[in-house]
Amino acid sequence: SAVISQKPSRDICQRGTSLTIQCQVDSQVTMMFWYRQQPGQSLTLIATANQGSEATYESGFVIDKFPISRPNLTFSTLTVSNMSPEDSSIYLCSGGANGETQYFGPGTRLLVL
Amino acid sequence: GENVEQHPSTLSVQEGDSAVIKCTYSDSASNYFPWYKQELGKRPQLIIDIRSNVGEKKDQRIAVTLNKTAKHFSLHITETQPEDSAVYFCAVGSNDYKLSFGAGTTVTVRA
Repeated sequence: SAVISQKPSRDICQRGTSLTIQCQVDSQVTMMFWYRQQPGQSLTLIATANQGSEATYESGFVIDKFPISRPNLTFSTLTVSNMSPEDSSIYLCSGGANGETQYFGPGTRLLVL
Repeated sequence: GENVEQHPSTLSVQEGDSAVIKCTYSDSASNYFPWYKQELGKRPQLIIDIRSNVGEKKDQRIAVTLNKTAKHFSLHITETQPEDSAVYFCAVGSNDYKLSFGAGTTVTVRA
């Protein structure tokens, strides 16, 4: 299994600012994904982080709002840009060595005031 | 994404009894069906998964069954214990490895 860490674990931000979340995996993984989870809700896929190329976004999510980088097979970042209170949520990354089996990071709790 | 329905949304069981959660999906191309357990404030934790070429898989007190024809799969927890109390999510994946999640089931095991 892959061990995944995220930084920061939580943050409180002012509206209009941006926050970059880092995701680090302890081994090389084929696939990495970013999810959002509202309190008490399920997980919604934001995008697939592709190594060496642009991320693939799900319906309702756009690159200008959620730019993603994946410079190598163990690291990815998600930026939440021009934040509003509606962006308050938990952001989780996931990854898996064989692509299919995914393990999650601990999440980043974001509160936008 | 894939449409995944999960039932029930809440489940309360007496310690020692069994718990069953069911999920249905719509895309016949789906071929991977994991279950995650999420305790309050923690990350989702993979507890068991099954692939489309297998009908049933068991790991100690946890089992998953898959009916591809009917497009549904179920999680079975036997001899429930208080530490089984959590939110359980089913998910569905296909060849692009993206997962679509069910809405979740809050399981409470009464001592």
